[in-house]
Amino acid sequence: DIQMTQSPSSLSASVGDRVTITCQASQDISNYLNWYQQKPGKAPKLLIYDASNLETGVPSRFSGSGSGTDFTFTISSLQPEDIATYYCQQYDNLPRFTFGPGTKVDIK
Amino acid sequence: QVQLVQSGAEVKKPGASVKVSCKASGYTFTSYGISWVRQAPGQGLEWMGWISAYNGNTNYAQKLQGRVTMTTDTSTSTAYMELRSLRSDDTAVYYCARMGVRFPYYFDYWGQGTLVTVSS
Repeated sequence: DIQMTQSPSSLSASVGDRVTITCQASQDISNYLNWYQQKPGKAPKLLIYDASNLETGVPSRFSGSGSGTDFTFTISSLQPEDIATYYCQQYDNLPRFTFGPGTKVDIK
Repeated sequence: QVQLVQSGAEVKKPGASVKVSCKASGYTFTSYGISWVRQAPGQGLEWMGWISAYNGNTNYAQKLQGRVTMTTDTSTSTAYMELRSLRSDDTAVYYCARMGVRFPYYFDYWGQGTLVTVSS
């Protein structure tokens, strides 16, 4: 099974800061990588699919990049409403899915 | 608008079964699949499995094989997830999510979640 790691597990940043989260797969997953945002007590929300495609309606300050085993998720200018836990998710052709452990983002 | 509305919270004893429903609206139910994802208290997301609403094909997470069954009722646009032989570590919020049936795969709409508590 493919394992996903995320770093950092948590971070604290100021409003307006650039925030970067990395996600690493245990083997090559091409660009089969999605990113979700989950706020406390709420269902996750799709932000990015296929590594770099912004879901409709998601603000452009969110972006994703990478392929193979190494992926990056970026918030270009952190806003108070971005406080949440962010998860990467990989999939294969069956499909089967695996989520990363999550990165909790806080305001400093 | 697309909506997935799940059934209410459940409290079950160890060894019992639970069946959670997920009623879809706002789209053609049989053109998509439904995935189920759970989240134990304070923990991350765990994918449980997937069912095609088109043909009923399923794919379950290996960890849950033999204990989980996913079904759909196309007449009511409702998906169901049944988990048997419940244990305390099955206590979690269970989510359904819509997914496409071809590449790329992602979960674009989610239900509100159903809390299942397993306790003696």
